Amino acid sequence: GENVEQHPSTLSVQEGDSAVIKCTYSDSASNYFPWYKQELGKGPQLIIDIRSNVGEKKDQRIAVTLNKTAKHFSLHITETQPEDSAVYFCAATLTGFQKLVFGTGTRLLVSP
Amino acid sequence: SAVISQKPSRDICQRGTSLTIQCQVDSQVTMMFWYRQQPGQSLTLIATANQGSEATYESGFVIDKFPISRPNLTFSTLTVSNMSPEDSSIYLCSVAWRDRGRETQYFGPGTRLLVL
Repeated sequence: GENVEQHPSTLSVQEGDSAVIKCTYSDSASNYFPWYKQELGKGPQLIIDIRSNVGEKKDQRIAVTLNKTAKHFSLHITETQPEDSAVYFCAATLTGFQKLVFGTGTRLLVSP
Repeated sequence: SAVISQKPSRDICQRGTSLTIQCQVDSQVTMMFWYRQQPGQSLTLIATANQGSEATYESGFVIDKFPISRPNLTFSTLTVSNMSPEDSSIYLCSVAWRDRGRETQYFGPGTRLLVL
């Protein structure tokens, strides 16, 4: 079955810096790669996703890149703000209608 | 996106008892899932809640421990039976939603369970 690895486990940056979180997956059949942000006491919130027919997707300060050959995908946050502080999870699956296999999470701390 | 609510939001329970968690969606959805998030950990799928039929459980999870109901396309329940402290976790329901022609999964706010 699918296995997703995520690095780093913790990431501390200064406000305004960029943050990059990387994930690798094992199942070449996976085609859908969402990213979730989880704030303390809340459920995971979908922030961006990418499908295998594109290599990059951007939404304001957030971007995701996908390399299907190497089976890895990354989340890029530019101009970080303190409110970006949260735990971020990557996931992989065949389609959005099927079980998500999650990475281990990255705790991002943005200091003012 | 769909609006998902869960009840209760949190609970403290005694070992040996059972708790039923409800998940309500404001629109009809095809797929509903139940995940568990142990303290400080990632999310693991418990089962897929199938409308009108038995849930499909992942390896390591059994119906006797986590019975699931899904009577219609907007509602599901997860029961955590005969609880032990190891069941202390966040329990999350998710729904698969077709958004602008593409499937996406959204999560509810979670139920935080502490078993003493």
